[in-house]
Amino acid sequence: QLQLQESGPGRVKPSETLSLNCTVSGASIRGGFYYWGWIRQPPGKGLEWIGFMFGSIHYSDSTYSNPSLESRVSISVDTSKNQFSLKLSSVTAADTAVYYCARAKGSGSGWFDSWGQGTLVTVSS
Amino acid sequence: DIQMTQSPSTLSASVGDRVTITCRASQSIGSWLAWHQQKPGKAPKVLIYDASSLESGVPSRFSGSGSGTEFTLTISSLQPDDFATYYCQQYNSYWTFGQGTKVEIK
Repeated sequence: QLQLQESGPGRVKPSETLSLNCTVSGASIRGGFYYWGWIRQPPGKGLEWIGFMFGSIHYSDSTYSNPSLESRVSISVDTSKNQFSLKLSSVTAADTAVYYCARAKGSGSGWFDSWGQGTLVTVSS
Repeated sequence: DIQMTQSPSTLSASVGDRVTITCRASQSIGSWLAWHQQKPGKAPKVLIYDASSLESGVPSRFSGSGSGTEFTLTISSLQPDDFATYYCQQYNSYWTFGQGTKVEIK
């Protein structure tokens, strides 16, 4: 059974870099043709995709970021740990949100079929 | 960017009611649309993908229809477990979510 689990600090100071990890169990990030990445939800608000990477070993450099965040987003993978990571630089209070890691499958860019439980990150000094 | 607009934003209904939520895309997305259900404090859960395909394990009272720019999610007979917020999600070009529809108890 596929499971995704986010981990990382719950609080980040303004102007610093937010760093989160997502550990995947039940499937290999490099197996199949799936996107793996990050979605966030500010308190009481809707969902926003942050960035995704294509997991197939044949397309290992393919990453995609939301244009509204692109200059601040970096996504990387650690195959040995079956884990992928998010770095979001120069954070402000507007980046306070629940951050989810997720998998997208299927045609087009794919629908999100598996989600982590989410982790709240607060940007505050 | 493709924009997704849901209506209504809030819907008040009773157990047993037939409920319909609409999602409109700013440009044609074919059938590349999913519907997710989210309960407070929980991650979203996919109900429908490819506009009308029911995800495994999802009750058959949920159904989806539409193509191009207009889509609907229908709950044929609302159950107590269905009071939640519902989001549409396009995946024709990257990803975009609708703003959500909260289904509350009337």
